[in-house]
Amino acid sequence: QSALTQPASVSGSPGQSITISCTGTSSDVGGHNYVSWYQQHPGKAPKLMIYEVSNRPSGVSNRFSGSKSGNTASLTISGLQAEDEADYYCHSFTSRTTPYVFGTGTTVTV
Amino acid sequence: QVQLVQSGAELTKPGASVKVSCKASGYTFTDYSIHWVRQAPGQGLEWIGRISPNGGDTKIISKFQGRVTMTGDTSISTTYMELSSLTSDDTALYYCARELYTTKWCKSFDLWGQGTLVTVSS
Repeated sequence: QSALTQPASVSGSPGQSITISCTGTSSDVGGHNYVSWYQQHPGKAPKLMIYEVSNRPSGVSNRFSGSKSGNTASLTISGLQAEDEADYYCHSFTSRTTPYVFGTGTTVTV
Repeated sequence: QVQLVQSGAELTKPGASVKVSCKASGYTFTDYSIHWVRQAPGQGLEWIGRISPNGGDTKIISKFQGRVTMTGDTSISTTYMELSSLTSDDTALYYCARELYTTKWCKSFDLWGQGTLVTVSS
């Protein structure tokens, strides 16, 4: 089961916007709207930031937004802040025998 | 407080088994599926499987079939994952996570345990 493809690292200055891509196939990202994004700080458990492509759980800043086009999903962080420095993973439901797959992960540096 | 609390770190030998627990509190345990995810040192996340709210149904990915058993004890709101025939490749942080439900199952995980480090070494 191949992981979804993300850039290894993305960086930006405080206040800027960055976008992290997540590329899959028609069997996962492109096949439905069950794409989510997680933020993970060092030594901490992952935290859900976006679910169903573009929905934010309660308590997550509206600086985080998600979208999808074809087989590629994206996470945009606007107004970048120092606390956004973390690893980010996309995640998708799939139509294969393995029903869930994560992305390779992206380290965001502010 | 809504939370998942996992058992402590384990140091075990190749060929042995380990059983990790995940205790839920602050919500109705039987209303949600629990998923298990692992993360090898310095690596990404890997989904292992899930167990239904009442423990009657499990789904485990093929690479772990025959080695992973997931069970639940509703009387103490606890889920267990047992991994057998351990090798050094199983050294990882193991997380339990709750599946998000809004008006339907969202196939994402809104509540995570703190993780249990399993180290396999001779």
